[in-house]
Amino acid sequence: QKEVEQDPGPLSVPEGAIVSLNCTYSNSAFQYFMWYRQYSRKGPELLMYTYSSGNKEDGRFTAQVDKSSKYISLFIRDSQPSDSATYLCAMSAIPTTSGTYKYIFGTGTRLKVLA
Amino acid sequence: GAGVSQSPSNKVTEKGKDVELRCDPISGHTALYWYRQSLGQGLEFLIYFQGNSAPDKSGLPSDRFSAERTGGSVSTLTIQRTQQEDSAVYLCASSLDRGLTYEQYFGPGTRLTVT
Repeated sequence: QKEVEQDPGPLSVPEGAIVSLNCTYSNSAFQYFMWYRQYSRKGPELLMYTYSSGNKEDGRFTAQVDKSSKYISLFIRDSQPSDSATYLCAMSAIPTTSGTYKYIFGTGTRLKVLA
Repeated sequence: GAGVSQSPSNKVTEKGKDVELRCDPISGHTALYWYRQSLGQGLEFLIYFQGNSAPDKSGLPSDRFSAERTGGSVSTLTIQRTQQEDSAVYLCASSLDRGLTYEQYFGPGTRLTVT
């Protein structure tokens, strides 16, 4: 079983829809949760990060973490065609003092927002 | 300012040949990461460099893979005796320092195809 599970999609939605992207994880040591967006033929770029359970909002994006269920979500409101990309979740545990801050990534969900 | 750059952007090689992939991190970034991204596999950590410390090579899949970072800046990932399963996008990322609060900035990747 992978440490981080993410539905690869593709997910197609009409413009203006609310999009929900999700990841589950198995390692209870994960404390730092991130969402990256990756356009075709580009490297991933950080969208949002959070340390704790609860919600974090940034414009049209809301990241939600439920540590008790080991489940994280990214919501996109008023989705736009420019949001069409692959969204990757990533998470990390706090390492020991000399350890590597190693991110474990999901496989990514391909999102297509139709105009 | 300049972001992370990688070269070549695409590389096609015959099975059994050696390849070198180059990463130029953002100037002043002390941490550098290599990842591999395969279809349906997400981003797989390969190796991590931090300043002058010994690199964390725990993600390298076999002894055919090696990497070096000269002068704390440019890094080269070398794959010897390439196999078809090495075909993937190889991504490099750098961050200002080690630690979860330091965002990893990704390059556009090198798409490696082994025929």
